[in-house]
Amino acid sequence: EADIYQTPRYLVIGTGKKITLECSQTMGHDKMYWYQQDPGMELHLIHYSYGVNSTEKGDLSSESTVSRIRTEHFPLTLESARPSHTSQYLCASSTGFNQPQHFGDGTRLSIL
Amino acid sequence: EDQVTQSPEALRLQEGESSSLNCSYTVSGLRGLFWYRQDPGKGPEFLFTLYSAGEEKEKERLKATLTKKESFLHITAPKPEDSATYLCAVQAGSNYQLIWGAGTKLIIKP
Repeated sequence: EADIYQTPRYLVIGTGKKITLECSQTMGHDKMYWYQQDPGMELHLIHYSYGVNSTEKGDLSSESTVSRIRTEHFPLTLESARPSHTSQYLCASSTGFNQPQHFGDGTRLSIL
Repeated sequence: EDQVTQSPEALRLQEGESSSLNCSYTVSGLRGLFWYRQDPGKGPEFLFTLYSAGEEKEKERLKATLTKKESFLHITAPKPEDSATYLCAVQAGSNYQLIWGAGTKLIIKP
């Protein structure tokens, strides 16, 4: 069973605030990912990491940033939240890019 | 452009009524096709990986098959606990990023 944790599970916050979504995994996986998912829609990759000190942008343009200082930790930051950032954010990890990804339960973010 | 399409968008079945979900794809150089299950308020849960046409995988009431253009997720004698959204994702070419379908919402009525 995958052990990947996201906090907070839900967040309602005002426009302009700085937000950090936390993601941690205890499996020692090198590869980690952030996805955005709207109801009834596909998952879209916004960031991914090959390993420590490695981060890349995904296909979906995003105003967020990520960091990977430790293998187990891959936080996502929005410097100034806007209503367009309202969505569900899913974190995942895998042993390799061609291996199954294991997901956390997501953060549902609402920007007022 | 690489694309993954799932059908139907939603499927309602009676308990015990077998059926199939479809995932069709147009990509160059398939590396792998992944099936996931997603329950409301949860992240996707991995079910199967298929790598080449003709391959089949089974788990309990689920069986996944793959051809050169599509994959089917067959569900045999489903139970209400099989109700979920089933997602398909494809990895292709030199890009390891997954291309996701929008999912099929499956509802099994007792």
